[in-house]
Amino acid sequence: NAGVTQTPKFRVLKTGQSMTLLCAQDMNHEYMYWYRQDPGMGLRLIHYSVGEGTTAKGEVPDGYNVSRLKKQNFLLGLESAAPSQTSVYFCASSPTPASPSYNEQFFGPGTRLTVL
Amino acid sequence: EDQVTQSPEALRLQEGESSSLNCSYTVSGLRGLFWYRQDPGKGPEFLFTLYSAGEEKEKERLKATLTKKESFLHITAPKPEDSATYLCAVQAPRTYSGGYQKVTFGTGTKLQVIP
Repeated sequence: NAGVTQTPKFRVLKTGQSMTLLCAQDMNHEYMYWYRQDPGMGLRLIHYSVGEGTTAKGEVPDGYNVSRLKKQNFLLGLESAAPSQTSVYFCASSPTPASPSYNEQFFGPGTRLTVL
Repeated sequence: EDQVTQSPEALRLQEGESSSLNCSYTVSGLRGLFWYRQDPGKGPEFLFTLYSAGEEKEKERLKATLTKKESFLHITAPKPEDSATYLCAVQAPRTYSGGYQKVTFGTGTKLQVIP
């Protein structure tokens, strides 16, 4: 099993450009999440999904959109990138609350994004 | 507001020198406290979940404990491969709009174990 994979690994954008980050998981998890990690700050939740076709806002959703058309994929979009969105982005997944390990989040390797 | 404070920010140990990392938290109605390990350039890797004061969990050289105000990650006789950043997180009863209970992460303790 590959676990959680993310593409791309690195990206440089100019202010105002758009891009999509792709997250895929092969563990049949219901829940998926997008976080950002910045120096001196803890991981912050951007958006999440509790199942195929559902999305919801997290702590810092402004400037981002998401879609979960298939259970295994969770896409994060930046419509008009800003320098403040320079960060490392992590995708994660977890089983449903019915699972004994539902609190355990499995993280991808991250995408390092720089917005100039 | 939920808060998680980890100390120290960085810790340098000699191989075999045991120590503890601290995670102090403020949350009303703790649902769970989590420890993760993060290697440079990688995503966090789950280690433990603790649910109530007095609970302890162990994995190899790591032992996590929980009180009503803080958690400790004890590292016994560490090896260089234990070098990583250790993250603490707490889950609160408050939910986001879609029903997921909020998890607040600390900024981590960067551990370096020297041979």
